[in-house]
Amino acid sequence: ETGVTQTPRHLVMGMTNKKSLKCEQHLGHNAMYWYKQSAKKPLELMFVYNFKEQTENNSVPSRFSPECPNSSHLFLHLHTLQPEDSALYLCASSQFSGSSTGELFFGEGSRLTVL
Amino acid sequence: SQQGEEDPQALSIQEGENATMNCSYKTSINNLQWYRQNSGRGLVHLILIRSNEREKHSGRLRVTLDTSKKSSSLLITASRAADTASYFCATDARRSGGSNYKLTFGKGTLLTVNP
Repeated sequence: ETGVTQTPRHLVMGMTNKKSLKCEQHLGHNAMYWYKQSAKKPLELMFVYNFKEQTENNSVPSRFSPECPNSSHLFLHLHTLQPEDSALYLCASSQFSGSSTGELFFGEGSRLTVL
Repeated sequence: SQQGEEDPQALSIQEGENATMNCSYKTSINNLQWYRQNSGRGLVHLILIRSNEREKHSGRLRVTLDTSKKSSSLLITASRAADTASYFCATDARRSGGSNYKLTFGKGTLLTVNP
């Protein structure tokens, strides 16, 4: 148990569906992250939120829409996805100090399959 | 890119042997971190070494950092079957032209420890 909980763990959706991934951290951290992990590729940073403000959008297509209502919760809204978006989506949190990203605490991931 | 590159991509050893994984990167870093990931699970932080440190230990783990060569190594001593996992290095560095820091992961080394 890392203190970061992701739901659902598995999701299958069609290209026209709308779904959301949820992440909650119980560690009192001030930064939250979405990463995408595809086979044979390095982890790709998608979005970063510091103190609920988005500080990084790594050229992510608009069919991925993040939401951070407070420093403990992070969502990733999905719509009109493509089969190549199938991947493991990892949420993480950290205590950002201003001089370092710090150690990341990851959730178990949401395995997304787009048909 | 300041992305870490692990070497080798895959490593297979017998229980009790030592495992060494290497990481190279391209630009100046604030710190370097090693993570472990069991198949289909989230990443778990192992150790963080700052740019002004040369060596760090944690249990059976030993990490070295050579900033002149822009490289790091992770040594796991007396390996166990339970050490079977993917191991990632991640470099934390200030984004070019900005004040934010970014943690960038490599593709990982798949370690298999045979009983």
